Amino acid sequence: GDSVTQMEGPVTLSEEAFLTINCTYTATGYPSLFWYVQYPGEGLQLLLKATKADDKGSNKGFEATYRKETTSFHLEKGSVQVSDSAVYFCALSDQNRGSTLGRLYFGRGTQLTVWP
Amino acid sequence: DAGVIQSPRHEVTEMGQEVTLRCKPISGHDYLFWYRQTMMRGLELLIYFNNNVPIDDSGMPEDRFSAKMPNASFSTLKIQPSEPRDSAVYFCASSINYEQYFGPGTRLTVT
Repeated sequence: GDSVTQMEGPVTLSEEAFLTINCTYTATGYPSLFWYVQYPGEGLQLLLKATKADDKGSNKGFEATYRKETTSFHLEKGSVQVSDSAVYFCALSDQNRGSTLGRLYFGRGTQLTVWP
Repeated sequence: DAGVIQSPRHEVTEMGQEVTLRCKPISGHDYLFWYRQTMMRGLELLIYFNNNVPIDDSGMPEDRFSAKMPNASFSTLKIQPSEPRDSAVYFCASSINYEQYFGPGTRLTVT
């Protein structure tokens, strides 16, 4: 079935370091891919998305490219800030699966802590 | 737009009591989801609705859990009777075009 695997955390970085959080997926159709972020005490928020192969989603300095050949959607940021400390979730939706239209499949989340 | 609204934000109850969590989705969204989040199990999908109709409730852990969506602007998740292992943060989310918008969550503590 459809699933998402993302790197185990926690990830601890110094401010201005480069960030990569790996995400790979399994899907039978042509999924859309998402990254969500959860700040402490809050619900998940959509960070960025890509709906087809080779698309690049970007927001707030974060980027992720939809790679069909490697079934990956890795999250990157060139220079992290303390305020980026949060849990990051990779997710997919398979819009061709009639029985599960509308739902997202989430990874287990990766905790990021950025130190000043 | 006010976003997804959940109430209460915090609930503390004793084992055996009935608990009702409430959600108001974003107007115009056609899907509504209930999730549970714990440290041990992460984010779990409990049930979701499309146009007020339950689509998949396979994530509901036991018969003690039930969910309703009587109209497009309101949903409830009920636990009866509650148990300490139900302690978690419960999120409601609504969506349109596969983009889910989460509420702030209800932190439930069952003692």
